[in-house]
Amino acid sequence: GAVVSQHPSRVICKSGTSVKIECRSLDFQATTMFWYRQFPKKSLMLMATSNEGSKATYEQGVEKDKFLINHASLTLSTLTVTSAHPEDSSFYICSTSEGTPGTDTQYFGPGTRLTVL
Amino acid sequence: GENVEQHPSTLSVQEGDSAVIKCTYSDSASNYFPWYKQELGKRPQLIIDIRSNVGEKKDQRIAVTLNKTAKHFSLHITETQPEDSAVYFCAASNQAGTALIFGKGTTLSVSS
Repeated sequence: GAVVSQHPSRVICKSGTSVKIECRSLDFQATTMFWYRQFPKKSLMLMATSNEGSKATYEQGVEKDKFLINHASLTLSTLTVTSAHPEDSSFYICSTSEGTPGTDTQYFGPGTRLTVL
Repeated sequence: GENVEQHPSTLSVQEGDSAVIKCTYSDSASNYFPWYKQELGKRPQLIIDIRSNVGEKKDQRIAVTLNKTAKHFSLHITETQPEDSAVYFCAASNQAGTALIFGKGTTLSVSS
């Protein structure tokens, strides 16, 4: 299957700082990537759809000014958590698929564990 | 939008028994239904998926069934082993390349 990487795998930051998480598709060009958030013992909640060359589409209840998404190339999407607070502590996971009919399998990155002190 | 319900939330079985996890979905336009296994602190791993033109799919000890009329699909694991212990998520999407909507997950515990 496709290889998706994420960096960093784990980050601890102070409240009020910003944190950037990178998601890379290593073996195919991804025009669309997805960002999910997962709280402990909970399901994956879709935050936003990242579109290469255009604005991201955010799910209801997700603040676009707080969770900045940039998809400047076909292999890289970044999620920046601005002015992080302890309630932003979570597991952030990206995913992507090739997006053509019959190839809708989605592959997930390894996730980023964010802890805000 | 799509809503996916998953049951049970926890499931405990003895090694060698079968395990069944059920999901229902609300959007009749959904046509892709994957199942993911997630171990603690790891990424979700695709274990099997089914598309709406197929009613059943099997891969060794794992099978998935789909009933489009009733809008439900199920995961069946036979001859369970301790290493099958994990959280299992069902999901649905209605178009290739669109986001997945996940169920709440089932924590499967297989005791030896």
